[in-house]
Amino acid sequence: QLQLQESGPGLVKPSETLSLTCTVSGGSISSSSYYWGWIRQPPGKGLEWIGSIYYSGSTYYNPSLKSRVTISVDTSKNQFSLKLSSVTAADTAVYYCARRKVVPTTNWFDPWGQGTLVTVSS
Amino acid sequence: QPVLTQPPSASASLGASVTLTCTLSSGYSNYKVDWYQQRPGKGPRFVMRVGTGGIVGSKGDGIPDRFSVLGSGLNRYLTIKNIQEEDESDYHCGADHGSGSNFVYWVFGGGTKLTVL
Repeated sequence: QLQLQESGPGLVKPSETLSLTCTVSGGSISSSSYYWGWIRQPPGKGLEWIGSIYYSGSTYYNPSLKSRVTISVDTSKNQFSLKLSSVTAADTAVYYCARRKVVPTTNWFDPWGQGTLVTVSS
Repeated sequence: QPVLTQPPSASASLGASVTLTCTLSSGYSNYKVDWYQQRPGKGPRFVMRVGTGGIVGSKGDGIPDRFSVLGSGLNRYLTIKNIQEEDESDYHCGADHGSGSNFVYWVFGGGTKLTVL
């Protein structure tokens, strides 16, 4: 069964870069059938899509975050990563990674990782 | 892009039924919506997708038959019958905008916290 696990620092200083990695187990990140995505949830708020990546490296980003976001993939490690630059307290959130199918009729996010809390504070 | 609106909270007694609503903004009545369940301290779990014709595709793994969906106009509904303690969760709805084009953008509602009394 496919599993995703987020990892990275739980505390980041303002103006620095947040870096997270999602490790995929139980399946290959190089499958042509899936996109891999990042979604976040600020405390007490709803979900916000950050962006998605295909194994080839093609990406889609949330326009509101696009200038600060980079998502990359490392097929040799079966991992994909998120970098968010110039962070502020507003970027404090639980960050989730998730998989979705390429085919539009079934492209919901499933499964999701358990999430990792990142706090932006000095 | 569409805006998805959910009431922040709902409650129901053990064994009763409850219907959660996700409302699309005007002009997006043909959009399908995905429902996700998020138990405390856990990542979201896909429940099912709903359009105006009802469920689209299959339910998520392990989702009981007690969960069903309907779609009408701008509203997408998730109904849970015979509510159990394990159903106490946050329920999120989400939709993709631009699917099939070169740009895909995902949006989510604010989530509804379901309390089982």
